[in-house]
Amino acid sequence: EIVLTQSPLSLSVTPGEPASISCGSSQSLLHSNGHYYLDWYLQKPGQPPQLLIFLVSNRASGVPDRFSGSGSGADFTLKISRVEAGDVGIYYCMQALQTPYTFGPGTKLET
Amino acid sequence: QVQLRQSGPGLVEPSGTLSLTCTVSGGSISYSNWWSWVRKSPGKGLEWIGEISQSGDTNYNPSLKGRVSMSVDKSKSQLSLKLTFVTAADTAVYYCTKWHPMDVWGQGTTVTVSS
Repeated sequence: EIVLTQSPLSLSVTPGEPASISCGSSQSLLHSNGHYYLDWYLQKPGQPPQLLIFLVSNRASGVPDRFSGSGSGADFTLKISRVEAGDVGIYYCMQALQTPYTFGPGTKLET
Repeated sequence: QVQLRQSGPGLVEPSGTLSLTCTVSGGSISYSNWWSWVRKSPGKGLEWIGEISQSGDTNYNPSLKGRVSMSVDKSKSQLSLKLTFVTAADTAVYYCTKWHPMDVWGQGTTVTVSS
């Protein structure tokens, strides 16, 4: 089973300031098709998780360009260029390379 | 726009069977090749339960030790999840979701295991 770690596990950011979350994998997430199967999700209180970024750097429909993803191999990063109050919640990275698909422990973002 | 609507009991007795249904509206099961179930337990993170294809092929999380089964009913555009011999550790919010990526989610069903 692929194990994902995240850092930090909690983050307090002043609105307007940037934020960065790291995700590390126990093995490379490179698929034979050349894509890295690493996604980012945000779960706000009382809501289902929402997709932010898929395949490392592709923003989901409707996700503002303040959010960006990068990385390769086993190390990935989610960046928010300017945090807004509505960005609070728990951010999870997830590997979709092999079953069982696994999530990181989550990073709680507060403002 | 495809939406997922979940239904099922919110309370299950210990050692009983958890049964949930997820109905695809605004489209059909064929909208996605695969569909998944994910849960969020209190105080814990997200856990992938398993996935099912349009044709009924499945992959389950080994952590559930053979207690889980999934099925698809194309005629009703429904997905089903069953989890047997539940314990308090199975208390969670359960979600159905499109796979991959998971850009369409059900509203979630809170399931409590208690007598």
